Amino acid sequence: SAVISQKPSRDICQRGTSLTIQCQVDSQVTMMFWYRQQPGQSLTLIATANQGSEATYESGFVIDKFPISRPNLTFSTLTVSNMSPEDSSIYLCSVVRRGTTYEQYFGPGTRLTVT
Amino acid sequence: GENVEQHPSTLSVQEGDSAVIKCTYSDSASNYFPWYKQELGKRPQLIIDIRSNVGEKKDQRIAVTLNKTAKHFSLHITETQPEDSAVYFCAASTGGAGSYQLTFGKGTKLSVIP
Repeated sequence: SAVISQKPSRDICQRGTSLTIQCQVDSQVTMMFWYRQQPGQSLTLIATANQGSEATYESGFVIDKFPISRPNLTFSTLTVSNMSPEDSSIYLCSVVRRGTTYEQYFGPGTRLTVT
Repeated sequence: GENVEQHPSTLSVQEGDSAVIKCTYSDSASNYFPWYKQELGKRPQLIIDIRSNVGEKKDQRIAVTLNKTAKHFSLHITETQPEDSAVYFCAASTGGAGSYQLTFGKGTKLSVIP
């Protein structure tokens, strides 16, 4: 499977600030996604990160709150803007590797706590 | 959109016994069904998956079955071991045509008692 890294691994932020999370893959991938996992909960898709174009957001998530970039086939960022305590979650990127069809692999996640 | 229901939410088994986790999905267009294992503090790991043109798939002690007519699929773990203790998530996707989004069930916390 692809080697996927995320930075930072965890952070504690004050409400009203923003945090940018990076996802780096060691090989080219066809698809990149961002998920949120609230404490003790399942995974919820935030958006599909599209290379060179605007991300595709799921219902309940908007670009102003979660701007996403994907400048190339191996890198993406997710920004959590104007944070509130409700944004405290684990944020994970996932990828579909080039040459495979469906299998998604997850990054290690970024644990965000908003105070 | 797709809705995935997963049962049970918690499951305790004795070491060596079998464990079965069941999921149902709503979108008949779904054609890809992966299972993920998530240990505490770790990322979800893909452990097995099945596509809609297959009824059953096995990998050592793990098997997945799919009933397209009833729109449900199940994970079977035989000869359970303490290291199988984790949260297991099922998911469904319509897959293909550039659409790979996964919809997850709520998870099953499996505890294997030594």
